[in-house]
Amino acid sequence: GQQLNQSPQSMFIQEGEDVSMNCTSSSIFNTWLWYKQDPGEGPVLLIALYKAGELTSNGRLTAQFGITRKDSFLNISASIPSDVGIYFCAGQNLYGQNFVFGPGTRLSVLP
Amino acid sequence: NAGVTQTPKFQVLKTGQSMTLQCAQDMNHEYMSWYRQDPGMGLRLIHYSVGAGITDQGEVPNGYNVSRSTTEDFPLRLLSAAPSQTSVYFCASTPTGQYNSPLHFGNGTRLTVT
Repeated sequence: GQQLNQSPQSMFIQEGEDVSMNCTSSSIFNTWLWYKQDPGEGPVLLIALYKAGELTSNGRLTAQFGITRKDSFLNISASIPSDVGIYFCAGQNLYGQNFVFGPGTRLSVLP
Repeated sequence: NAGVTQTPKFQVLKTGQSMTLQCAQDMNHEYMSWYRQDPGMGLRLIHYSVGAGITDQGEVPNGYNVSRSTTEDFPLRLLSAAPSQTSVYFCASTPTGQYNSPLHFGNGTRLTVT
């Protein structure tokens, strides 16, 4: 079946630094989603991307839909302690109702 | 709006016991789904439903049953729990499940099977 890879698996950064993470697939997707999960809670949608090449921002977060449609990127600028959590990417193709999730990137922010 | 509500939040079962994880949404979403989350493996789809009376299997359906008698509710049943079913379970819904319709998640049920 379809699989997504996320890198890095985990990262430790200093407060105030910028963060970059990515998600890659061997298959083409028509929708890319980025979610954040806080401990003990369900994933919360951060950004949704629907068009190849699309660049979308949500506050300090910016995500891009890769031109090949096989990857997506998430950047966080000027990280703060509440950015700590697990970031998941998810892909959906035009013909499938279901979403495929990556294994997540665990972000830790050091004060 | 309550969104997607899951109960219970925590559950401990002995091997062989049965139980039902409840999921309800008040957003009139047609599409509902169940995922399990295991360390390092992301979220894997167990079962899904595109509307009342319609259910289908996802990636890891074995050991689980579902039904969808109403638009609002989508319970997940474990008929005979096994230690391999120790996991965190998430219910999620979207208006249609189609393109341009992201998933909304509940807060999860943490299940331990001993």
